[in-house]
Amino acid sequence: GDSVTQMEGPVTLSEEAFLTINCTYTATGYPSLFWYVQYPGEGLQLLLKATKADDKGSNKGFEATYRKETTSFHLEKGSVQVSDSAVYFCALSANTGNQFYFGTGTSLTVIP
Amino acid sequence: NAGVTQTPKFQVLKTGQSMTLQCAQDMNHEYMSWYRQDPGMGLRLIHYSVGAGITDQGEVPNGYNVSRSTTEDFPLRLLSAAPSQTSVYFCASSYAATASSYEQYFGPGTRLTVT
Repeated sequence: GDSVTQMEGPVTLSEEAFLTINCTYTATGYPSLFWYVQYPGEGLQLLLKATKADDKGSNKGFEATYRKETTSFHLEKGSVQVSDSAVYFCALSANTGNQFYFGTGTSLTVIP
Repeated sequence: NAGVTQTPKFQVLKTGQSMTLQCAQDMNHEYMSWYRQDPGMGLRLIHYSVGAGITDQGEVPNGYNVSRSTTEDFPLRLLSAAPSQTSVYFCASSYAATASSYEQYFGPGTRLTVT
C-alpha cells in the first residue's frame, strides 16, 4: 500500500544553518506530495506541495522537489530561523482519491 | 472563513465515559476526516467521509463512530472511552484542487486524556 517514510528526529540546528529533512514514498500511480508544518499546540498547516514529477514546491524559503526516479520529496531551507522550530510532516495523496498518508513527523529545533 | 474548527480544545474523561468531539468547516469541502496523533506514530486515520451521508473506516476505527448529516459537520463519538484513546485528535477537510490533486486543511486539535 501507499506509505511515507520520513527522516527521524529530533533535529537541532543553529540559526542560519542549512536544513534537509528526508522523505521517501511508496505509491502506485502518480501521487501528489506535501509538506505540512505543526507549531506547538496547533494543527497542521500546509507548507508546500508538488503534484507531478520534477515539480518544485516552495513557500517561506522552504523547497522540495518531486523526484519520481528516487521516490523522494526532501524538504530544504538554506537558512533556518528560530521561528522555524516545529514538527514537519511529509504526506502523499494518491490521485485516485482523497486518502492522505503521513510520515511520522520530524521535530526541528533551531537555537539562536 | 473560520476554516476547520474543533471543540473542545481539551477534555479529560474517565474510563467508560462517552463523548462527542465536534468538527465543523465552512469551506464547503466535500471530504472530511478524523485523525489521531500519537508520539512517534504520526497521524493515523480513524474515519472519513466523502460527502453528506457517506462515511467509511480508516486505519484505526475501533471504539469510534462518526456520522455526516451535513456538509459542514463531522462529529466523532467515543462510545466507551479507554486509556488507549488518550491522544490528540485532528479533524480535516479537503477538496480537489485540480482534477488529480487534493488539498487538506486541519483544525487546531482536541487533546483528550482518558484516566
